[in-house]
Parts: sequence; structure tokens; C-alpha cells
Amino acid sequence: DAKTTQPNSMESNEEEPVHLPCNHSTISGTDYIHWYRQLPSQGPEYVIHGLTSNVNNRMASLAIAEDRKSSTLILHRATLRDAAVYYCILRGGGAGSYQLTFGKGTKLSVIP
Amino acid sequence: ETGVTQTPRHLVMGMTNKKSLKCEQHLGHNAMYWYKQSAKKPLELMFVYNFKEQTENNSVPSRFSPECPNSSHLFLHLHTLQPEDSALYLCASSQDRAAYEQYFGPGTRLTVT
Repeated sequence: DAKTTQPNSMESNEEEPVHLPCNHSTISGTDYIHWYRQLPSQGPEYVIHGLTSNVNNRMASLAIAEDRKSSTLILHRATLRDAAVYYCILRGGGAGSYQLTFGKGTKLSVIP
Repeated sequence: ETGVTQTPRHLVMGMTNKKSLKCEQHLGHNAMYWYKQSAKKPLELMFVYNFKEQTENNSVPSRFSPECPNSSHLFLHLHTLQPEDSALYLCASSQDRAAYEQYFGPGTRLTVT
């Protein structure tokens, strides 16, 4: 399985943008980049996913490098509720490649 | 209720006990999953069901036995567990196994004494 590398932890001030990096140098051409987050005492929740182009939704933006070997999850304005562990996951696009393989993720702390 | 629910939320059991974890999804999904989250390991996929058929068993010991009677319900039957099986057990569902978004329940915190 293609692996991802994320920093163990990051801090952000409330109401400031946050850029969470992810390296995936062995990504294949059919791998999608998924982001999930896990708030304390909850199960993970889907944030966003993309293949080649940058993506935006109501929760976040995903910026994907042109060579696809890295990506950045952008929270435009961090709130205390965004404190969570963020997981960057590669998921194959072929038939049967549906598994989500979670790593250790990045623990984001938001400072009031 | 909406989303994915799991019961019980907390469970303490002895190594000789038999217990079951229950998961229910109210999203009309056709795929359901069991994951294990230990304190020192990343989230691990255990089982996958798609349209009530088990499609994946990731080398899970036989002391864990899943059951999917219909697309809305998923059980994990536990017997003769070991202390190292203590973990958070998470259930998830998706439209089908190829869907890009999985919805997770809050988990059952299991302690084996």
C-alpha cells in the first residue's frame, strides 16, 4: 500500500488558517487522496478527497501538488471544534481498492 | 435516530465471557465495516460486509465473529478474548464498498480483564 507521512502534531491559533501537510511520494496514478479527522471521543469523519485538482467543500480545501507527491489540507479559519487528529489516506481507484488504511495522523491543537 | 449508532458505548468483560457489540445505520447504506483502534496502533480494518455478504476479513482471530443479518445491522460477537483485545471498536457504513465516504459510529470502548 502507498504510504503517507504527516507531522505528529501541529498547533494553530483560533480563527487563523491552518495548513496540514501530507507527503505521499509513492502515490500511484489511480490513488485518491482522502482526509478524515477524529474528534476526541468520536469516530472518524470524512473531510475531503481529491485526485489531481484542488478541491473545496464547506469544511476545508485540499491543495494537491502538481506531481501529486504531496498535498495540504487547509482549514480556512480554525475553531476550537477543529481540534482533532487529521488523517491523510491514499485510496486506490481500481475495483476492490476500497479500503481506508489509516496512519497515525496529525494531532491539531487549537489555541484560544 | 440518524447516522451510525453503536451499543454498548462501554463494555468490560472477563476473558471467559461471551458478549456482542451492535451497530445500526440509518443511512440506507449497503456496506458496513468493523475497525479496531488500539491505544498504540493506527485504526485497523477488521471486516467488511457489502450487501450482507462478508467481503473482507483482515486476518482477524476467530475469537471475533461478525454477523450481518441485514444491511442496517452489524454485530461483532466476542468470546474468550485476551487483555490485548482491549480497544475502541468502531463501526462504519458507506453507500457501497466503493463509495468514497465512510460514516463512523462513536465506537464501543472494550476492556478485557
